Order: sequence, then C-alpha cells, then structure tokens
Amino acid sequence: GENVEQHPSTLSVQEGDSAVIKCTYSDSASNYFPWYKQELGKGPQLIIDIRSNVGEKKDQRIAVTLNKTAKHFSLHITETQPEDSAVYFCAASSTNAGKSTFGDGTTLTVKP
Amino acid sequence: GAGVSQSPRYKVAKRGQDVALRCDPISGHVSLFWYQQALGQGPEFLTYFQNEAQLDKSGLPSDRFFAERPEGSVSTLKIQRTQQEDSAVYLCASSSYRTGGDYEQYFGPGTRLTVT
Repeated sequence: GENVEQHPSTLSVQEGDSAVIKCTYSDSASNYFPWYKQELGKGPQLIIDIRSNVGEKKDQRIAVTLNKTAKHFSLHITETQPEDSAVYFCAASSTNAGKSTFGDGTTLTVKP
Repeated sequence: GAGVSQSPRYKVAKRGQDVALRCDPISGHVSLFWYQQALGQGPEFLTYFQNEAQLDKSGLPSDRFFAERPEGSVSTLKIQRTQQEDSAVYLCASSSYRTGGDYEQYFGPGTRLTVT
C-alpha cells in the first residue's frame, strides 16, 4: 500500500520568513496530493491540492510543487504570519482508491 | 452552507463498553470516509462509503469496529467492547465526487474518544 513520509516534524520560523514542508510517497499510482491545515480541536482543512498532471500550483502565499519522477511534493508558504501556526499534513491518494494516506504532520510555529 | 458535523464531540467510555459515533456529511455528498487520528499522528483510513455501499473497510482494526450508512447520508461508526488502544480522535470526511480518492474531502471536527 501507499506510504507517505513528511519532514520536518516541527518547524519554527520568524514572521515574514518562508516555510517549506516536504513529503515523499511510494505508490506510483497516486495521482492526487492534498495539503491540510489542522488547528487545535478542529478537523483538517484543505488548503491546496495538486494533481499528477501538474508540476506546480500557487494560491496567494501558498504553493505546492510535485516531482512525479522522484515521488515527492512540497508545500511552500511565503510571508508567514502568526495565524499560519498549526499542524500541516500532506496526503496522497489515487482515482482507484477512495482512501487518502497521510503523513505524520508538521507543527509550524510562526514567531511574531 | 453547513459543513460536516460529528457527535458527540467528546466521549468517555469505560473499557468494555460499546460506543456509537455519528457523522452528518455535507448534504448531497456521495462519498463518506472515516479516519482514526492518534495523538501526534496523521489520520489513518478506516472505511469508505459511496452512497450506502461500503466500498472499502480495509482500515478497520478489528471486528469490534463496524460502520454503516443505511440511507446514504448519515453514518455511524460503532466500536464494541472498547479497549484503551481505541482512544483517539475519530474523523469523518465527505466528498461530492464518486470517482474515488482524487477529489477534495471535507472533514468534520472529530469525536475525541477516551477509554478509561
């Protein structure tokens, strides 16, 4: 089955700096890669996603890149703000599998 | 519109008790997923419904876990004879697409189950 590894497990940045979180996956059939933000006591919230026919996608301060050959994808947050502090999860899934496989999460702390 | 709702939000059960966790998906969403999230870890897949059909239950950890969605909307996850290792947050997600896992899932707030 699919295996997703996520690094780093914790990340602390100064407000205004950039943050990068990286994930690798094992199943070449995976074709959908969402990123979620989870705040304390809440469920994961989708912030951006990318499909395997695209190499990069950007939405304001957030961007995701995908390298299918190397089986890795990354989340980039620019101009970080204290409200970006949360746990971020990457995930991978495929058309033929209903389930998503998640990484173990990255706790991002943005210091004002 | 209303998002995914789950009840109860918190549940404390004594070891050996049965519990039932409810999920109300977004109205009209075809697909419904249950995940288990242990403290400090990512969600782990339990089971998946498309309408009332349970298409994948490969993630259910034992036969003490049972899920149903009889009318294709509300779903219930039941855990019989709860054990301490069942303590976790149980997340429900729904999706408007029926084509599998390659479309966005909307998560509820979760039910935190503590087994004492």
